[in-house]
Amino acid sequence: RKEVEQDPGPFNVPEGATVAFNCTYSNSASQSFFWYRQDCRKEPKLLMSVYSSGNEDGRFTAQLNRASQYISLLIRDSKLSDSATYLCVVKRGGSYIPTFGRGTSLIVHP
Amino acid sequence: DTAVSQTPKYLVTQMGNDKSIKCEQNLGHDTMYWYKQDSKKFLKIMFSYNNKELIINETVPNRFSPKSPDKAHLNLHINSLELGDSAVYFCASSHSSASLPAYEQYFGPGTRLTVT
Repeated sequence: RKEVEQDPGPFNVPEGATVAFNCTYSNSASQSFFWYRQDCRKEPKLLMSVYSSGNEDGRFTAQLNRASQYISLLIRDSKLSDSATYLCVVKRGGSYIPTFGRGTSLIVHP
Repeated sequence: DTAVSQTPKYLVTQMGNDKSIKCEQNLGHDTMYWYKQDSKKFLKIMFSYNNKELIINETVPNRFSPKSPDKAHLNLHINSLELGDSAVYFCASSHSSASLPAYEQYFGPGTRLTVT
């Protein structure tokens, strides 16, 4: 089983839709969780950290389920500019090594 | 203003050549990384340096040699380039993750390496 798994998609949604991605991780010692966004031919950029209690940043909501070992990202009211690849990142406590998932591709169409 | 910069942005070279990629960050971070992103978009860590000391060296051929002259710079030298080395190489930096509960990595714009 891969350490971090994501559905590669693509998720094709119309503008204004709500879309959710999940990411599962295999190592129960994982302590830090993040969502990064990568636009085509660009570098990854941090979208948001994922906290145990869940957190929201505008139209984006991230949640962590430690019992089932997954994190999720919910995007409300999708915009064309949300089209990108969303990378799940997991880091074990005390480790310098972040593990990236392969990413989920989102395409928002008019 | 550039936080993490890499040079060159594009590199086209022939098999067997030796090439270097340079990375600099002006964020005051003490940890720097090299990642390889292949054609399937999988981002895999190669090396990490903390305060100029190598702390991560994943399974990477020894043709790849990182060098960190100071905390703000991490260069990657590749000997005897092979076709399979074609990929995008990203440099990144962050604060030492051991000292912060959560940390953010800042990535450079990437170096697109094509080996012919």
